[in-house]
Amino acid sequence: EAGVVQSPRYKIIEKKQPVAFWCNPISGHNTLYWYRQNLGQGPELLIRYENEEAVDDSQLPKDRFSAERLKGVDSTLKIQPAELGDSAVYLCASSSSGLSYEQYFGPGTRLTVT
Amino acid sequence: AQSVTQLGSHVSVSEGALVLLRCNYSSSVPPYLFWYVQYPNQGLQLLLKYTTGATLVKGINGFEAEFKKSETSFHLTKPSAHMSDAAEYFCAVIGGSQGNLIFGKGTKLSVKP
Repeated sequence: EAGVVQSPRYKIIEKKQPVAFWCNPISGHNTLYWYRQNLGQGPELLIRYENEEAVDDSQLPKDRFSAERLKGVDSTLKIQPAELGDSAVYLCASSSSGLSYEQYFGPGTRLTVT
Repeated sequence: AQSVTQLGSHVSVSEGALVLLRCNYSSSVPPYLFWYVQYPNQGLQLLLKYTTGATLVKGINGFEAEFKKSETSFHLTKPSAHMSDAAEYFCAVIGGSQGNLIFGKGTKLSVKP
């Protein structure tokens, strides 16, 4: 069974530029999560999807961050414009139900904003 | 609000020694608790979880954790460390208004030969 796939693995951009991250969850997993992990910290949830619906986006900075999961499968997280403080690892995870008891994580995208 | 505190950001042990990583939680309801491991440049992998039932939980790679309600703790242990155990370990609890995972800051485990 293929795991959670994320791309790109690494991204370096200048501040004020846009950037997008892509995630393909495990087949059959209805729930998809985006996390941000700052250096030396644990992951923090940005947004959670149940199929196509964003059921929890309370921690997503909506002035510059957006996300979509149009067909209830893969998802894209976008930052526009990026700021220096956005440098972090962006992790995608999926689970098979609405309960977040067992989440499967992708390898993450390491973003560096210069 | 639910939260977890991991004591010690960095733990170093010798190969073959006991591994003990500490986690204390705060929860107003019976907690669901988790330990995840993150190897360099990889995502997180679930080691073990406690939901209900037996308070001693066994996970993968020889790790186990014991839920102690009286101490609000969920410490992770392994009798004998292996070099391959070197990684960062995160304790997590289900919490918040939406029942999402809330992670601690992590403990980096180093294993000396």
